[in-house]
Amino acid sequence: GQQLNQSPQSMFIQEGEDVSMNCTSSSIFNTWLWYKQDPGEGPVLLIALYKAGELTSNGRLTAQFGITRKDSFLNISASIPSDVGIYFCAGQVSSGSARQLTFGSGTQLTVLP
Amino acid sequence: EAGVAQSPRYKIIEKRQSVAFWCNPISGHATLYWYQQILGQGPKLLIQFQNNGVVDDSQLPKDRFSAERLKGVDSTLKIQPAKLEDSAVYLCASIPGLAYNEQFFGPGTRLTVL
Repeated sequence: GQQLNQSPQSMFIQEGEDVSMNCTSSSIFNTWLWYKQDPGEGPVLLIALYKAGELTSNGRLTAQFGITRKDSFLNISASIPSDVGIYFCAGQVSSGSARQLTFGSGTQLTVLP
Repeated sequence: EAGVAQSPRYKIIEKRQSVAFWCNPISGHATLYWYQQILGQGPKLLIQFQNNGVVDDSQLPKDRFSAERLKGVDSTLKIQPAKLEDSAVYLCASIPGLAYNEQFFGPGTRLTVL
């Protein structure tokens, strides 16, 4: 099956710093999505990317869909305490009636005051 | 607009017991997914429904797991009998239809099997 390699596994940064995380795959995806999951909650969508090379921002978050369609990165600028959580990348290959996501293993982000 | 609802939020059972989880997707969402998320990992798809029909259950361990969405609205996922390795968070997600890519997740049910 398809697998996503997400790195880093965890990050400890100071408040105000920028952070970057990425996902790579051996398979091509048509869509890349980035989710954030807080403790005890389900993942919440942050950014969706639909075209190879696409660069999309959502406030302090910026994500890019790799040209090869096998990778994506997420940047968070000027981190704040509420950025703490687990960030997941997810790739989607649409086939017929299936719209299914393959998730990375997550990046645990800790923001130190 | 109300989000995806799941219950119970937590469940503790002993191995070999049975357990059921319930999901009510966002109103009007035709497509529903069940995921298993083991601690430290990303969600893994178990089954996808389109209305009351199964689109894909290839990753559902059918010897012990079953799921239904009889009226095409809410859904139930059952494990019978449970094993220790079934301890995980079970997430439900929905989308309005197959033209949409952005899945909306419920808060999940945390299952602990002792």
